[in-house]
Amino acid sequence: SQKIEQNSEALNIQEGKTATLTCNYTNYSPAYLQWYRQDPGRGPVFLLLIRENEKEKRKERLKVTFDTTLKQSLFHITASQPADSATYLCALPMDSSYKLIFGSGTRLLVRP
Amino acid sequence: SQTIHQWPATLVQPVGSPLSLECTVEGTSNPNLYWYRQAAGRGLQLLFYSVGIGQISSEVPQNLSASRPQDRQFILSSKKLLLSDSGFYLCAWMEGYGEKLFFGSGTQLSVL
Repeated sequence: SQKIEQNSEALNIQEGKTATLTCNYTNYSPAYLQWYRQDPGRGPVFLLLIRENEKEKRKERLKVTFDTTLKQSLFHITASQPADSATYLCALPMDSSYKLIFGSGTRLLVRP
Repeated sequence: SQTIHQWPATLVQPVGSPLSLECTVEGTSNPNLYWYRQAAGRGLQLLFYSVGIGQISSEVPQNLSASRPQDRQFILSSKKLLLSDSGFYLCAWMEGYGEKLFFGSGTQLSVL
């Protein structure tokens, strides 16, 4: 079955630097991949979706890449701010359905 | 605009007691509805998925059940809670043709 792997160690960076988070999957390449942000005690919030035929997607300071050969997506936050501190989750559809499975997330800490 | 309501926010229940968590969505019709559970420091585990009234897909065999008595109402239940049922329960919805999930605020369940 499909598995999603995200770095379980927290990423600690200085304000103003670019944060890069990794999401790897193990089996079939999904039709799309999503990234969510989750703050403590809250539900995840959708950030970006990238399709299998797209190599890169941008939204303001966010950028997502999707490499189906490497079975990997990278999530970048440029000019990071302390307010960007949160856990970031990668998600993709299970099989060809609308069931989404999630990675365990990577916690990002941006120091002022 | 669409909104999702989930309650209660926190719940402390003794082992062996019943459970009923309710989720309702407003501003949309025939949404796909989901229940996820998140253990402390872990990713989201998909529990149940529904594409319509009375149509429930169970993803993980467990002590829980779900029902969808109305189009925009999704209920998570248990007859007898176990310690292992503790966690953060999240309800989510997706437009039938859409791909991104919108989450509720979650219920923190502690079984003692």
